Amino acid sequence: TQLLEQSPQFLSIQEGENLTVYCNSSSVFSSLQWYRQEPGEGPVLLVTVVTGGEVKKLKRLTFQFGDARKDSSLHITAAQPGDTGLYLCAGARNNDMRFGAGTRLTVKP
Amino acid sequence: GAGVSQSPRYKVAKRGQDVALRCDPISGHVSLFWYQQALGQGPEFLTYFQNEAQLDKSGLPSDRFFAERPEGSVSTLKIQRTQQEDSAVYLCASSLPGLGVLAGELFFGEGSRLTVL
Repeated sequence: TQLLEQSPQFLSIQEGENLTVYCNSSSVFSSLQWYRQEPGEGPVLLVTVVTGGEVKKLKRLTFQFGDARKDSSLHITAAQPGDTGLYLCAGARNNDMRFGAGTRLTVKP
Repeated sequence: GAGVSQSPRYKVAKRGQDVALRCDPISGHVSLFWYQQALGQGPEFLTYFQNEAQLDKSGLPSDRFFAERPEGSVSTLKIQRTQQEDSAVYLCASSLPGLGVLAGELFFGEGSRLTVL
């Protein structure tokens, strides 16, 4: 059983559409991070959220941390082909950083 | 370079062979993580070092897996008597602060792809 459950597992949409992906857990985390990974490379950090209820915006990407600091969502507005990739959430605890299985996003031109 | 460096990038081992994977973190980074990533999956936590101390090794799949970071810098992940199920990409990441109130950004290497025949 994954500590962090991500949904959907796969998402294929057309350029210009909006989407939301989710990261859920029964555990409380001191902080939660979102990464994007491209084939053959390591994940790259997009954002860190710390405070329950926090919302952060990064251009067309909006990240939200749940009030109880157990879950998070990533919303992308007007998706572009360059957004294609594996989106991973990661939760930090005292002595580890655990990742979800990821959402594989494909944006078709 | 200034990033996390892993070697070898690719390793093919015969079943039963021992392998050693090396990670050079970013200089001065306190935290070092090892992850195992199977094809199409997210990174699975293996172990965490804060400087030279291995604070968590709960993710190591068996006693065939061993990691060390003796001087708080370079780390080695060793797999003894490799099995086919060990085939995966092994990712190393470093972070400037130690895990605590606020986790820092993890900087990943490109990974070592292990194939066990």
